[in-house]
Amino acid sequence: GAVVSQHPSRVICKSGTSVKIECRSLDFQATTMFWYRQFPKKSLMLMATSNEGSKATYEQGVEKDKFLINHASLTLSTLTVTSAHPEDSSFYICSARALLGRGHGTEAFFGQGTRLTVV
Amino acid sequence: SQELEQSPQSLIVQEGKNLTINCTSSKTLYGLYWYKQKYGEGLIFLMMLQKGGEEKSHEKITAKLDEKKQQSSLHITASQPSHAGIYLCGADTAGTASKLTFGTGTRLQVTL
Repeated sequence: GAVVSQHPSRVICKSGTSVKIECRSLDFQATTMFWYRQFPKKSLMLMATSNEGSKATYEQGVEKDKFLINHASLTLSTLTVTSAHPEDSSFYICSARALLGRGHGTEAFFGQGTRLTVV
Repeated sequence: SQELEQSPQSLIVQEGKNLTINCTSSKTLYGLYWYKQKYGEGLIFLMMLQKGGEEKSHEKITAKLDEKKQQSSLHITASQPSHAGIYLCGADTAGTASKLTFGTGTRLQVTL
């Protein structure tokens, strides 16, 4: 199946600094990628939809200036957590939509996630 | 209320026992995805169901979709310690086939 690579898998940063998380589709082109956040013992919450070549669409309650998304190519989307604070500590996961072939629809493939700890 | 309800929230079963996890949507289901996650790790795709009445199996895991009831079930036969983890259902309720809403997850423990 299609592979989505997310990097880094873990990052610890100081409060006030910015952190960039990368999401790459390795063997397919993804015009659309999605960024999710997972709180401890909670489900995934969609943060934003990343569209190649255009601005990301943010879900209600997600600060676009706080979570900068860039989808500069068909295989790469980045999420930058700016001026990180301890409450931003979380598990962030990206996913990309892949076509399964004619008549087989699409499927969402997920990266391995990034655990961000802000100290 | 949650758009996607999963039950039970947690489950402890003895190795070798069967178990079922349910996922119920408050909206029309255009697609239903089942994933497994080990804590702190990414999601592993298990199965995707799109048509009412559809049933898929992979090894000892079977998933069914009841479109009319807006519900899906995941059944594990003869559970093993390797089945332990968090099971998440993701639903396409917008017909976009990509933007998913997730259930709250079911934490499964398998005891020896």
